[in-house]
Amino acid sequence: EVQLVESGGGLVQPGRSLRLSCAASGFMFDDYAMHWVRQPPGKGLEWVSGISWNSGKVGYADSVKGRFTISRDNAKNSLYLQMNSLGPEDTALYYCSKPLKLHRGVFESWGQGTMVTVSS
Amino acid sequence: QSALTQPASVSGSPGQSITISCTGTSSDVGGYNYVSWYQQHPDKVPKLMIYDVSNRPSGVSNRFSGSKSGNTASLTISGLQAEDEADYYCSSSTTTSALYVFGTGTKVTVL
Repeated sequence: EVQLVESGGGLVQPGRSLRLSCAASGFMFDDYAMHWVRQPPGKGLEWVSGISWNSGKVGYADSVKGRFTISRDNAKNSLYLQMNSLGPEDTALYYCSKPLKLHRGVFESWGQGTMVTVSS
Repeated sequence: QSALTQPASVSGSPGQSITISCTGTSSDVGGYNYVSWYQQHPDKVPKLMIYDVSNRPSGVSNRFSGSKSGNTASLTISGLQAEDEADYYCSSSTTTSALYVFGTGTKVTVL
């Protein structure tokens, strides 16, 4: 069974940094691209960032480009999101997502999410 | 990259059919057959319902179907049931540097 467990969220002041982690199990982690998707309280879904299986290709939403960095450690079956220069607009539930096999942009499996609150 | 446009809400009576639209541009919906749909019940994780415009993952009811015409994709729910009441989001690949984009979301109400 696929399991994705996010961690690292919390309350952080504007301008500070936070690093999210996603521990994956139940599938061949290094066979898949992986993604971060966020959802502000009471609002819709926003794709944040994605990374290919070997870290050779990464992508970011315009709203986080230059501030967030996605990475992965296949030896540890883990996905990360380094978030710098955080602002109130980054307040959201952050989901780690595994795509459908051979369909990089189809978000098949989701973790429960980790909440990030940016406030002074 | 702007979010794809969906109606804020759609409603129907049990047994009826409803259709949710998802309008983008030639850089996303119109440019790829890579539109997906997700169902999200309150305080729950999103669930994949349709991928590649019209394909259903294993386990998803055949009451859910997808289609696309030009820059607009659609999700149709047939034989509407109380359990279908949820938020629905479309997503698409894009040609922009932001690789994927979601729709604004549609709240489906079963009357």
